[in-house]
Amino acid sequence: DTGVSQNPRHKITKRGQNVTFRCDPISEHNRLYWYRQTLGQGPEFLTYFQNEAQLEKSRLLSDRFSAERPKGSFSTLEIQRTEQGDSAMYLCASSFGTAMNTEAFFGQGTRLTVV
Amino acid sequence: QKEVEQNSGPLSVPEGAIASLNCTYSDRGSQSFFWYRQYSGKSPELIMFIYSNGDKEDGRFTAQLNKASQYVSLLIRDSQPSDSATYLCAGRRDFGNEKLTFGTGTRLTIIP
Repeated sequence: DTGVSQNPRHKITKRGQNVTFRCDPISEHNRLYWYRQTLGQGPEFLTYFQNEAQLEKSRLLSDRFSAERPKGSFSTLEIQRTEQGDSAMYLCASSFGTAMNTEAFFGQGTRLTVV
Repeated sequence: QKEVEQNSGPLSVPEGAIASLNCTYSDRGSQSFFWYRQYSGKSPELIMFIYSNGDKEDGRFTAQLNKASQYVSLLIRDSQPSDSATYLCAGRRDFGNEKLTFGTGTRLTIIP
């Protein structure tokens, strides 16, 4: 499968625990995005990487959230001291190119439940 | 005011009819617009994108963009039960930066 891969697909954690999600983009895609989607809402942008550089972070990304893309390939999103409000689907997307019609391809997401 | 607004629905359309989904946006800096389909519990899947005023057709789907009115729409002809899903409209500001601003989505149900 050459699509965007996210692991794990589901994660249940107790409040206060740390969790880490992984995203493997489509190979040769230099841009990688993280979004969060709660029930009944559209995805909300969290952060964006071009290669290994984190170029933009949303105000939604509190200091409990950190994302890395150490070698410009896979990325991890860590949430420290999880809260119930962190329960959501975390989506990763990747893209390549600078043309106007460049599209972002989404992975299947990681559904986080904080209990 | 949300940057991208959609009627959350649900919108019910008989099988074989035309489904019309609408979206308005407030950021005049938005350059291109995307329609994603999302089945329950699944990730968004791109249907179409448009960046020029007018219509763009792809099979049963037609996207329409009116930048003066800040309005985007998606028409689905010959609606099928498999088209039942939530349709997300998204705007993008900068070329080469696929940061998308999504609406809340419109839930579409095709009635057999």
